[in-house]
Amino acid sequence: AQSVAQPEDQVNVAEGNPLTVKCTYSVSGNPYLFWYVQYPNRGLQFLLKYITGDNLVKGSYGFEAEFNKSQTSFHLKKPSALVSDSALYFCAVRDIGRDDKIIFGKGTRLHILP
Amino acid sequence: ETGVTQSPTHLIKTRGQQVTLRCSSQSGHNTVSWYQQALGQGPQFIFQYYREEENGRGNFPPRFSGLQFPNYSSELNVNALELDDSALYLCASSASQRNGELFFGEGSRLTVL
Repeated sequence: AQSVAQPEDQVNVAEGNPLTVKCTYSVSGNPYLFWYVQYPNRGLQFLLKYITGDNLVKGSYGFEAEFNKSQTSFHLKKPSALVSDSALYFCAVRDIGRDDKIIFGKGTRLHILP
Repeated sequence: ETGVTQSPTHLIKTRGQQVTLRCSSQSGHNTVSWYQQALGQGPQFIFQYYREEENGRGNFPPRFSGLQFPNYSSELNVNALELDDSALYLCASSASQRNGELFFGEGSRLTVL
C-alpha cells in the first residue's frame, strides 16, 4: 500500500527566511504526490501536485515542491516565509488501485515567527 | 471558496445515537470522498463514491455508511455513535476518479458525549 510520512510535527521559521516541510513516500510504481494546507477550523486546500515531468513543481501562494526519486522525498519549500503561511500542511499520495483514494500524512504545523 | 458545502457545520450527539452529514459537491464533479480528521491527526479515508456507487472504503466499520445522489451530492451516516467518533468530517469532490486534486468543504464537526 502507498503511504507518506511527515517526520516533523512542527516547523518554526522566521519571517523572510526560506522554509522546508519534509515528506517521504512509499509507493509501488510511479508516485502521484500532493501537498494540501489547512488553516484553523477550515477544510483542506490543494497547493500542488507531482504526476510526472519536472522534479520541481510550482504551486499556489509561492510554494513549490521538489520530487526526489532516489531519496523518495517530496519536500515542500518556499523561498521567503510569510506570517500568513502559518498553518497545518499535509503531504498526500494517491493509492493506485481500484479506488485511487488519496492518503494523507499526519501533518506538519508550520509556525512563522514575525 | 471550493464550491463544496457541508452541513451541519457543528453538531452534538450522545453515545448510541445516529447522525447524517451532508455534502454538496462542486458543479461538474462526479466523485465524492469522505474523511475523518480527529484532533491533531491527518484526514483518514472513510469511503469514496463515483457516479452513485461506492468504489473504495477505508478501515471503518459498517456502521459508517453513505450515499451519493444523481446530482452527485452525498451523505455520510454513522449509526451507534461512540465517543471516538468525535472528529471533523470532511467531504471532498473531484472531477474524476483519477484526478487526485480534491476540493474540500469546511467540514462538519461532530462531538459525541
